[in-house]
Amino acid sequence: GENVEQHPSTLSVQEGDSAVIKCTYSDSASNYFPWYKQELGKRPQLIIDIRSNVGEKKDQRIAVTLNKTAKHFSLHITETQPEDSAVYFCAASKGQGGSEKLVFGKGTKLTVNP
Amino acid sequence: DVKVTQSSRYLVKRTGEKVFLECVQDMDHENMFWYRQDPGLGLRLIYFSYDVKMKEKGDIPEGYSVSREKKERFSLILESASTNQTSMYLCASSLTGGSYGYTFGSGTRLTVV
Repeated sequence: GENVEQHPSTLSVQEGDSAVIKCTYSDSASNYFPWYKQELGKRPQLIIDIRSNVGEKKDQRIAVTLNKTAKHFSLHITETQPEDSAVYFCAASKGQGGSEKLVFGKGTKLTVNP
Repeated sequence: DVKVTQSSRYLVKRTGEKVFLECVQDMDHENMFWYRQDPGLGLRLIYFSYDVKMKEKGDIPEGYSVSREKKERFSLILESASTNQTSMYLCASSLTGGSYGYTFGSGTRLTVV
């Protein structure tokens, strides 16, 4: 089955710096790659996702890149702010209609220092 | 605008008890999932369901069962709770043919003593 590896497990940056979180996946049939943000004591929330027919997607300060050949994808956060501090999870699935299960990475705890 | 509701935020049960965790969604989603979240292990899939009365095992189904009698409700059952089932349990739902994203519940922190 699918296996998703996520690095680093913890990341500490200064406010205003960029943060990059990387994930690799094992199943070449996976075609959907979402990222979730979980603030302390709250539920995970989808922040951005990318499908396999796209190489990059941006939404304001966050972007995700996908390299299908290497089977890895990354989350980029620019101009980090203290409110970006959270645990971030990457995931992968072979979804063809939203019903396929997501396999999650183990998470990255991001701390943005003021 | 809470759309996925888990019945309990915190729960303490004794070893050997039968435990029911309830999840209800009001978005008419076909798909529902139960994950457990442990520090350093991320989110691991226990069971999921694509439709009423249908269920599929996830990666760690041992010691758990599920029930989906109505589209909006997905129950996780611990037949005989054990201390290694102490964890945060997250329910999620998604729409077939939709945006592919999950909507998560707030979670149930279960402690088995």
